[in-house]
Amino acid sequence: DAGITQSPRHKVTETGTPVTLRCHQTENHRYMYWYRQDPGHGLRLIHYSYGVKDTDKGEVSDGYSVSRSKTEDFLLTLESATSSQTSVYFCAISEEMGDQPQHFGDGTRLSIL
Amino acid sequence: AQSVAQPEDQVNVAEGNPLTVKCTYSVSGNPYLFWYVQYPNRGLQFLLKYITGDNLVKGSYGFEAEFNKSQTSFHLKKPSALVSDSALYFCAVRDNFNKFYFGSGTKLNVKP
Repeated sequence: DAGITQSPRHKVTETGTPVTLRCHQTENHRYMYWYRQDPGHGLRLIHYSYGVKDTDKGEVSDGYSVSRSKTEDFLLTLESATSSQTSVYFCAISEEMGDQPQHFGDGTRLSIL
Repeated sequence: AQSVAQPEDQVNVAEGNPLTVKCTYSVSGNPYLFWYVQYPNRGLQFLLKYITGDNLVKGSYGFEAEFNKSQTSFHLKKPSALVSDSALYFCAVRDNFNKFYFGSGTKLNVKP
């Protein structure tokens, strides 16, 4: 398995609190991604990064921010969590070449009460 | 814009029978197509990909997929299903900016 670690694996928090999820890779891949998975929607891209300090928005970026200060770490922050952000969050990495697949972490299950 | 459709939420098949999980795509330019499998409480795992060349590509665990350019389809197949193949399957397309677009997923149920 690709070296991708997501932390925490599970979190329960309250509406209005800030939450930060961490993705750590040991593969030295340039691209990193954050997705959320919800029933009936598959995976939806929140934000992605194409290098240190280089990030861009995905299709569901409202309410989320990201940071990448090192190649190996990609942080996802919910500035003020809402119940609609209850989901399973996945981090993925990929190499620069277009024919290479993504590799995924095992996810973070986030519940916002 | 790139998009992927998986028209079946669920596919049921008996063990030993062939299985097909459908995927259609819309992409500008040449498609880079992928299939992934997800087991409970795990991330997605790469199964196979189509980049160019033969329309029939082979992947992990005996799975294969048929690329059809005229029908813009990339259906996942296996000649003989196993109970252990029961999982959630996702089709994806990659664009020229290294962004991936996923279908909504198809739950495969293989019954003994």
